[in-house]
Amino acid sequence: GEDVEQSLFLSVREGDSSVINCTYTDSSSTYLYWYKQEPGAGLQLLTYIFSNMDMKQDQRLTVLLNKKDKHLSLRIADTQTGDSAIYFCAESGTGGFKTIFGAGTRLFVKA
Amino acid sequence: DTEVTQTPKHLVMGMTNKKSLKCEQHMGHRAMYWYKQKAKKPPELMFVYSYEKLSINESVPSRFSPECPNSSLLNLHLHALQPEDSALYLCASSQEGGAGGELFFGEGSRLTVL
Repeated sequence: GEDVEQSLFLSVREGDSSVINCTYTDSSSTYLYWYKQEPGAGLQLLTYIFSNMDMKQDQRLTVLLNKKDKHLSLRIADTQTGDSAIYFCAESGTGGFKTIFGAGTRLFVKA
Repeated sequence: DTEVTQTPKHLVMGMTNKKSLKCEQHMGHRAMYWYKQKAKKPPELMFVYSYEKLSINESVPSRFSPECPNSSLLNLHLHALQPEDSALYLCASSQEGGAGGELFFGEGSRLTVL
């Protein structure tokens, strides 16, 4: 079945760049997402990328997609303490209702 | 209005109680979802409603009963729950068949079963 894997923990210093990596198995994935969850809150979509794209940039966020290797990454430039949260990689196919989430990467930003 | 509103935020119930979780969205979305999230785990899909009809039931025990009274509202009725059902219950919505299936989540209802 479909699977999404990501590392569980990342620690960076404030002002550095953070890179969170993710791999997925479903070659028919159409959309790949990054969601952010702060403590005690729901998930918030940060950004998403279509599978026919290689890169997407949105202010401090850069998403890179290597479709051949089924590898997705999220780079956060100038990481701030407010970026401390859990980041979920997720994928879905066209028109489907099932979004498959990775286990989440807990980002800890040291001041 | 890009919010999904869930009530209550916190709920404590005994194993013999009957309670309900409520979710509301006014974004015109036609798909609504219930997810269950245990601590340090990703959300797990429970139910999907599309155009007010139950589209997906991920083999959820019958002690959880979803209801979609109209396109803006989604309820989850709880009865005879077990302590292991304690979790964060997240409601989400999405546009039907478009916008990349982006999910808009509520803040969740944290349920504790004693």
